[in-house]
Amino acid sequence: EVQLVESGGGLVQPGRSLKLSCAASGFTFSNYGMAWVRQAPTKGLEWVATISYDGSSTYYRDSVKGRFTISRDNAKSTLYLQMDSLRSEDTATYYCARHHGYTYFDYWGQGVMVTVSS
Amino acid sequence: NIVLTQSPATLSVTPGESVSLSCRASQSISTSIHWYQQKSNESPRLLIKYASQSISGIPSRFSGSGSGTDFTLSINRVESEDFSIYYCQQSYSSLYTFGAGTKLELK
Repeated sequence: EVQLVESGGGLVQPGRSLKLSCAASGFTFSNYGMAWVRQAPTKGLEWVATISYDGSSTYYRDSVKGRFTISRDNAKSTLYLQMDSLRSEDTATYYCARHHGYTYFDYWGQGVMVTVSS
Repeated sequence: NIVLTQSPATLSVTPGESVSLSCRASQSISTSIHWYQQKSNESPRLLIKYASQSISGIPSRFSGSGSGTDFTLSINRVESEDFSIYYCQQSYSSLYTFGAGTKLELK
């Protein structure tokens, strides 16, 4: 059974940093691209970033480019999102998702809440 | 960026009715559209890939159609567990985008 378990969320002040983790199990992690998708309170889904199966390629939405860094450790089957210079508009539930063939998101974690507020 | 416009924003139905949800793309995207269901306080779940391809474990009452710019998610005879929000998502561009969602609610 595929499982994705996020951790690392919480309350952080504007301008500060936070690092999210996603522990994967139930599939060969190193064979798949992975992604982060977020959802602001009462809002819709928003793709944040994608990383290739081997970590050699990364893609970001414009609003987080230069502030967020997606990475992975295939030996630990873990995905990361380093978030720097956080803004209030980054407040959201962040989902880790398997990005099948860099097309659709076929498995999702339970999500982790990030609140950016002073 | 490719903009996906979903309509209606809210659809009020009674169980047993059949419904169609629309997703329109701002440019032609072939069949690179995927549909998700999100129940209240849950993670999204993939329903349909590539406009019309079924997903293992998803009830057969869910189906998809369309190509180019106009896409439809159909639910044949809505059941009580289907009341949730439905999103479309495009993968034609690597700047992946979602529609704003259609909320299916009990009439």
